[in-house]
Amino acid sequence: EDQVTQSPEALRLQEGESSSLNCSYTVSGLRGLFWYRQDPGKGPEFLFTLYSAGEEKEKERLKATLTKKESFLHITAPKPEDSATYLCAVQAGGNAGKSTFGDGTTLTVKP
Amino acid sequence: NAGVTQTPKFQVLKTGQSMTLQCAQDMNHEYMSWYRQDPGMGLRLIHYSVGAGITDQGEVPNGYNVSRSTTEDFPLRLLSAAPSQTSVYFCASSYNKGQPQHFGDGTRLSIL
Repeated sequence: EDQVTQSPEALRLQEGESSSLNCSYTVSGLRGLFWYRQDPGKGPEFLFTLYSAGEEKEKERLKATLTKKESFLHITAPKPEDSATYLCAVQAGGNAGKSTFGDGTTLTVKP
Repeated sequence: NAGVTQTPKFQVLKTGQSMTLQCAQDMNHEYMSWYRQDPGMGLRLIHYSVGAGITDQGEVPNGYNVSRSTTEDFPLRLLSAAPSQTSVYFCASSYNKGQPQHFGDGTRLSIL
């Protein structure tokens, strides 16, 4: 059974204070690992896809990295508008292509 | 493009009532899914479809039915609502397996 564990559950940062969110996973044959951002009352919004260990993706203040067991979402010099819940999901190989989501990390950035 | 559209946005039901949550996408995506999200938790897969006429069960399918008669629409039916089905329901679509999903803004469902 595929499993995704995200830590910490909640993270409070001061504006400009860099940190990282962790996503540990077990999956039988990784097809892809996805990071999403979810704002209150909204559906998740896609951020990054990572397909193989060693891969990195960047977008503004966010950088996602992938190893064979975990992924990190690094946030550099965050701003209050980065406050949201960040969800990690894995998709296994095979015909189904179903995604398994973690419970998310809720990030609060104080000005 | 509207993306993924879910209706209604809010609904209150009584135990035992039935209803259909609507989901439509205009991106010609083959892959569509229904998730539920409970407070403080991630998304749990209810049912999914890899194309018109093809559906399969996810992690928590009991109490829900789906059908996929067209590429665009993927309705979710609650046959006899129970309080345990109080949740926020999200519909998502993607071009294919291995591609990122596009989500609607959810239906907030309360069952009394």
